[in-house]
Amino acid sequence: AQTVTQSQPEMSVQEAETVTLSCTYDTSESDYYLFWYKQPPSRQMILVIRQEAYKQQNATENRFSVNFQKAAKSFSLKISDSQLGDAAMYFCAWTRGSTGFQKLVFGTGTRLLVSP
Amino acid sequence: NAGVMQNPRHLVRRRGQEARLRCSPMKGHSHVYWYRQLPEEGLKFMVYLQKENIIDESGMPKERFSAEFPKEGPSILRIQQVVRGDSAAYFCASSEAFDTGELFFGEGSRLTVL
Repeated sequence: AQTVTQSQPEMSVQEAETVTLSCTYDTSESDYYLFWYKQPPSRQMILVIRQEAYKQQNATENRFSVNFQKAAKSFSLKISDSQLGDAAMYFCAWTRGSTGFQKLVFGTGTRLLVSP
Repeated sequence: NAGVMQNPRHLVRRRGQEARLRCSPMKGHSHVYWYRQLPEEGLKFMVYLQKENIIDESGMPKERFSAEFPKEGPSILRIQQVVRGDSAAYFCASSEAFDTGELFFGEGSRLTVL
């Protein structure tokens, strides 16, 4: 069974600094997608960034970027120039590419605290 | 364009009662997913539906839980004879396409069983 592990229950960062959230996964599939979701206090899950496993280039969305190490099965999220609004739970997620739908497997999340 | 709408946002039930959670997907979306989030845990897949069809219910408990997505109206997750262990946040998500396009999540329905 596929598993996603987030080993950091909580991380802290100061405004304008950079923080990296870790995620590792275990799968025997070769075709899959990886995601980072943000869950603010409102609890709505918001897609931050996604990575296709077949793409070697790391995905980037404005201040958010990933370090995708396929051989190591690692998928970390880097947040640059952190803002107070970045404070939230962050979930790493995996889905099989060939399934055709998003049956996501989530990690247990990392709570990000941002201080002024 | 309204997002995924879930109601009620909060629902309190006593043990043995029934809970009905509703989800209206985004306009134009015909794929609906239900996920459950227990306290301090990530979301876990329950069921995937298309209009009038259950495609995959492998994550849904075999008893007491059912889901539907009729031709007209919202998708409904129904929990019969609730127990305290059913207390959780239930999230609905929708997508437009059958492939791995973006999932849009609702704000969730928090069920508390007394």
